[in-house]
Amino acid sequence: GIQVEQSPPDLILQEGANSTLRCNFSDSVNNLQWFHQNPWGQLINLFYIPSGTKQNGRLSATTVATERYSLLYISSSQTTDSGVYFCAVGNDYKLSFGAGTTVTVRA
Amino acid sequence: AAGVIQSPRHLIKEKRETATLKCYPIPRHDTVYWYQQGPGQDPQFLISFYEKMQSDKGSIPDRFSAQQFSDYHSELNMSSLELGDSALYFCASSLGFSRRETQYFGPGTRLLVL
Repeated sequence: GIQVEQSPPDLILQEGANSTLRCNFSDSVNNLQWFHQNPWGQLINLFYIPSGTKQNGRLSATTVATERYSLLYISSSQTTDSGVYFCAVGNDYKLSFGAGTTVTVRA
Repeated sequence: AAGVIQSPRHLIKEKRETATLKCYPIPRHDTVYWYQQGPGQDPQFLISFYEKMQSDKGSIPDRFSAQQFSDYHSELNMSSLELGDSALYFCASSLGFSRRETQYFGPGTRLLVL
């Protein structure tokens, strides 16, 4: 199956700071999604981005499909941004998840 | 906007009991996926259905079975429950005909096996 590696595994930020999360994957994909899992366990869909760049408020993402990586940018972080960020990729009906990046934003 | 509905949200069972989890996809979505997330782990794909037919299968134990009904809702049946089945079970849905669609996840069912 497709291997997904996320870095860094943990990230501690001061409120207002910017950060970049990375996702590397081992094969070409036609589906790539970024999720935020909040402390209550809910998986919130952030982006569907198998290629290109998208922005949604303080979050943006870029996927370079030819080089098999994706980046998630968090700007002006807030305490509500805390949680685990997952990258998930797929070529058929299933998504393979990375191990996630745990983000802690301190006030 | 309507989201994926899962029921129940929490479930406590004893070892060797059975459990049934239900999933109601977003209206007009024809594809349903099931994922299992153990404590401190990432979600793992179990099984998916497209137009009521199984479309893909992951590491789903033989003790588990699932199906998609004519109204597109899906049920995951789990028998002979083990302590290791304690996990968060997610259902997701999409418009799956092109396989290039966003999967939208439900809130999950938290299963605890005692």
